Amino acid sequence: RKEVEQDPGPFNVPEGATVAFNCTYSNSASQSFFWYRQDCRKEPKLLMSVYSSGNEDGRFTAQLNRASQYISLLIRDSKLSDSATYLCVVSVGGNNDMRFGAGTRLTVKP
Amino acid sequence: GAGVSQSPSNKVTEKGKDVELRCDPISGHTALYWYRQSLGQGLEFLIYFQGNSAPDKSGLPSDRFSAERTGGSVSTLTIQRTQQEDSAVYLCASSSQGGSPLHFGNGTRLTVT
Repeated sequence: RKEVEQDPGPFNVPEGATVAFNCTYSNSASQSFFWYRQDCRKEPKLLMSVYSSGNEDGRFTAQLNRASQYISLLIRDSKLSDSATYLCVVSVGGNNDMRFGAGTRLTVKP
Repeated sequence: GAGVSQSPSNKVTEKGKDVELRCDPISGHTALYWYRQSLGQGLEFLIYFQGNSAPDKSGLPSDRFSAERTGGSVSTLTIQRTQQEDSAVYLCASSSQGGSPLHFGNGTRLTVT
C-alpha cells in the first residue's frame, strides 16, 4: 500500500461549484498534514496546514480524520483561478519525513 | 528573506555523463528534502536530511544517485552515468524542522539526451 494516496483526477467543475478532495495515508503515527497547490510547470506552494480540529481559510476547509486515516480539502464557490493540481502531504516515520500524494488535477470552467 | 535556491535551473546532458544539482535552503532550516517530478506525475521522494541525523536515503532509485549536505546547509544531488529515464524536474525543499511546512525551490529541469 502506498504511504499516501489521493483521489484520482481530473475534476472538471463549473465556476461556483463546491469540490472536495480526499487523501488517505497508511501510517497511523503520522503527525503533520498539509495541502499544497501546484500550477503547471511551477513548484508546489503551501495552501494550508491541516489541524486535528479542522481549519478554514476563506473558501478552503481542511479536515483530518485520524480514525479513518484521511485528510480532505473542500473548496467552495470555485474560481477559475483555483484550476491547479492539489497535493496532499503527510509526515511519515519518527523523523517526520514528508511524503506527497500523486496529486489531483482540478479544472474550473466558466 | 531569500527562499530556497536551486541551480542550475535547466541542465541538458548527454547519456552517460555525471551531473550535480545544487540546493541552497532557507537559512536556519534544519530539514532538507529532494524530490523528483516527471512530466504529469506526482512528487517522488528521493532523500531527506534532518539536522545531524543520518539521512533517509530510501527514495534514491539506484546507486547512481547520491546526495550530501555539507555543514547542515547546502546540498548537492549527484547523478552518475545519467540515463534518459533520469529526465525530470528535481525539486529541493527545506523546512524549519521535520514536520513543518516545506518551502520549495524553483527546481532543476534535467534533460538527458
